[in-house]
Amino acid sequence: EAGVAQSPRYKIIEKRQSVAFWCNPISGHATLYWYQQILGQGPKLLIQFQNNGVVDDSQLPKDRFSAERLKGVDSTLKIQPAKLEDSAVYLCASSLWGQGIADTQYFGPGTRLTVL
Amino acid sequence: AQSVTQPDIHITVSEGASLELRCNYSYGATPYLFWYVQSPGQGLQLLLKYFSGDTLVQGIKGFEAEFKRSQSSFNLRKPSVHWSDAAEYFCAGLTGANNLFFGTGTRLTVIP
Repeated sequence: EAGVAQSPRYKIIEKRQSVAFWCNPISGHATLYWYQQILGQGPKLLIQFQNNGVVDDSQLPKDRFSAERLKGVDSTLKIQPAKLEDSAVYLCASSLWGQGIADTQYFGPGTRLTVL
Repeated sequence: AQSVTQPDIHITVSEGASLELRCNYSYGATPYLFWYVQSPGQGLQLLLKYFSGDTLVQGIKGFEAEFKRSQSSFNLRKPSVHWSDAAEYFCAGLTGANNLFFGTGTRLTVIP
């Protein structure tokens, strides 16, 4: 079974530029998550999708971050414009149902973003 | 507010020695707790989870964790560490909305 795929793996941009990350979850997983992991910290949830609908985006900085999951499969996370403090690893995860402790989240390798 | 705390930023152990990584939790209700491992360049991998029942939980790769309500702890243990266990370890909890919240992590270094 293929895991969660993310691209690109690394990205370096100047501040105020735009950037987009792509995630392909495990086939058949209804729930998709985007996390931000700043160096020295644990991952922080940015947004959760159930199929193509948003379940929780309370911690997404909506003035500059946006995410979509068209057709309930792949997802894209965008930052526009980027700030220095956006430098982090962006992790995508997926799970089968998104409910209950039995529903394990599977993580992709992440995209490391550096904003100069 | 719900939280998990990992008091040790970095731990170094010798290969073959035993390991214990600490995690303390603050929870209003029944805690749902997890341990994840993150190897360099890899995504997070679930080692084990606790939600009820037996307080000693067995996981993958020879890890176990013990839930102690009296101490608000969920420490991860391994009797004999291998060089391949060098990684970052995260304790995590689950919110009522089924979202994970993580501690700040403990980096494990294994010396030969």
